[in-house]
Amino acid sequence: GDSVTQMEGPVTLSEEAFLTINCTYTATGYPSLFWYVQYPGEGLQLLLKATKADDKGSNKGFEATYRKETTSFHLEKGSVQVSDSAVYFCALTRNSGNTPLVFGKGTRLSVIA
Amino acid sequence: NAGVTQTPKFQVLKTGQSMTLQCAQDMNHEYMSWYRQDPGMGLRLIHYSVGAGITDQGEVPNGYNVSRSTTEDFPLRLLSAAPSQTSVYFCASRVQGSSYEQYFGPGTRLTVT
Repeated sequence: GDSVTQMEGPVTLSEEAFLTINCTYTATGYPSLFWYVQYPGEGLQLLLKATKADDKGSNKGFEATYRKETTSFHLEKGSVQVSDSAVYFCALTRNSGNTPLVFGKGTRLSVIA
Repeated sequence: NAGVTQTPKFQVLKTGQSMTLQCAQDMNHEYMSWYRQDPGMGLRLIHYSVGAGITDQGEVPNGYNVSRSTTEDFPLRLLSAAPSQTSVYFCASRVQGSSYEQYFGPGTRLTVT
């Protein structure tokens, strides 16, 4: 079945450091790919998405590029802030029909000043 | 718009008790789903619904029942609570179509003793 694998955390960075969180997937066909973020004590919210190969999703300084050849969707940010401390989830869904999201296990990021 | 609302925020149950977690959305979304979040496990799908009167099982449906009598509401019932159901529960909704954003509620933290 479809699955998502994320790098395990926690990840601890200093403010203004470069961030990469790796995400790879296994799926039939051409899924849509998402990054969701969960701030402490809250539900998840969409950070960015890409729906076809070579698409780049971006939001709030975060970027991820849909790489079909490597089945990857790595999340990057050039300069993290303390306010970026959260849990980040990579997810996919098939584009056909009305299928559920499949989530990775999440990566906790802590940014220290 | 209130978005997706969940009640209660916190609940403690004794083994064998039953209860219903409430979920409502005011965005006229046809697709709704329930997830549970456990440490190191990410989010796992319990049940989902593509419209009123239609429900389907997710990855971990055992011990949970759902029904969907209206577009707005999607309650999750625990018939006989077990300690293994201690978790944080999230409800989510979206428009029809897999590539669209899911909106999550704030979660219900359930402890079964």
